[in-house]
Amino acid sequence: DAEITQSPRHKITETGRQVTLACHQTWNHNNMFWYRQDLGHGLRLIHYSYGVHDTNKGEVSDGYSVSRSNTEDLPLTLESAASSQTSVYFCASSESHSYGYTFGSGTRLTVV
Amino acid sequence: QKEVEQDPGPLSVPEGAIVSLNCTYSNSAFQYFMWYRQYSRKGPELLMYTYSSGNKEDGRFTAQVDKSSKYISLFIRDSQPSDSATYLCAARAYQAGTALIFGKGTTLSVSS
Repeated sequence: DAEITQSPRHKITETGRQVTLACHQTWNHNNMFWYRQDLGHGLRLIHYSYGVHDTNKGEVSDGYSVSRSNTEDLPLTLESAASSQTSVYFCASSESHSYGYTFGSGTRLTVV
Repeated sequence: QKEVEQDPGPLSVPEGAIVSLNCTYSNSAFQYFMWYRQYSRKGPELLMYTYSSGNKEDGRFTAQVDKSSKYISLFIRDSQPSDSATYLCAARAYQAGTALIFGKGTTLSVSS
């Protein structure tokens, strides 16, 4: 069955370190998205991609970057982790603009 | 002001009650409206999808969109303990290049 997987499920890192969160989908969806979820803020869009080599900034993109070298993967990189980036990160994909998103199970990141 | 506003609750109801969850939005360009359900420590899953105005029914769930008042509603009939979760409304504009904007989510608890 097709799926969308995120790794790792949990990660603890130190302030200032570079961290990469993986997202891999086997739906062959062109559209992929990264959100972070925090208490009191809900889901906020970080970056998104509508195809290979396409990336776009979302509402809270500062301190994050993505690159899309193939259809299946959209890794999220925190250039220099900060405590404010402690959050739960969700990756999602969709078949087209008019479809809903399928979400991964999330990565819980703690920056100490 | 967020583009999609949602009362975070929490909302507690007895089993069998009718539940009404609501959101408002500010962007007149929004055409796609969705409701997601999220269980604790899981990713959101698509529950209901509506294009433009009107009602959509699926079993015990009814989604309603009133574009004239920019109001989105989800009704749950005969609520069950298994409906206990966080419900997130989301909206997106018609034009390509835009992504789903989520409300903060409403936490619902159904007691048996």
